[in-house]
Amino acid sequence: QLQLQESGPGLVKPSETMFLTCTVSGGSISSTSSYWGWIRQPPGKGLEWIGSISYSGSTYYNSSLKSRLSMSMDTTNNQFYLKLSFMTAADTAMYYCARDLGGFHWGQGTLVTVSS
Amino acid sequence: EIVLTQSPGTLSLSPGERATLSCRASQSVPSSFLVWYQHTPGQAPRLVIHGASSRATGIPDRFSGSGSGTDFTLTISRLEPEDFAVYYCQQYGNSYSFGQGTKLEIK
Repeated sequence: QLQLQESGPGLVKPSETMFLTCTVSGGSISSTSSYWGWIRQPPGKGLEWIGSISYSGSTYYNSSLKSRLSMSMDTTNNQFYLKLSFMTAADTAMYYCARDLGGFHWGQGTLVTVSS
Repeated sequence: EIVLTQSPGTLSLSPGERATLSCRASQSVPSSFLVWYQHTPGQAPRLVIHGASSRATGIPDRFSGSGSGTDFTLTISRLEPEDFAVYYCQQYGNSYSFGQGTKLEIK
């Protein structure tokens, strides 16, 4: 059974860069036709797609975040990553990683707070 | 950007009743690319319906989806206690966007 687990810093200072890892088990991130995504939900607000990365490493970003965003993957460790720079309080959110295939299949999420 | 508007914002019903949740798109969405999620606090969102009307693996048959174009509906025929949650629709036919959610609460 496919499982995804997010990991990251929990607390980030304003203007710093956040780096999150999603570890996938029960399936290979490099299997053909697999896409992998990040979604976030600020406290009390709705869901926002951040971006997705394909099995071949092609990336697709939310245009509102594109200038600060980078996604990558490590097929050896079956992980994919999110890097978001110049963090502000508006980036405080629960961050989810997910398999992007006919809808999202989600991890449990990790809360990231931006505060000095 | 396709905007998805869900209604009602909150739906108060009793177990055993029928729930009807609406998702309206600002422009047409191919049915294949419209999905619904169930989100219970503290848990990962769960895919309930894909392709507008197909139940995801393990989803009981009291859940059904319908609609096309700009109007989509999620129906739960007889509510069970575990069904009370927040439900989101999402499209991925033109980038990705989510509705703001419908909270289904116990009356």
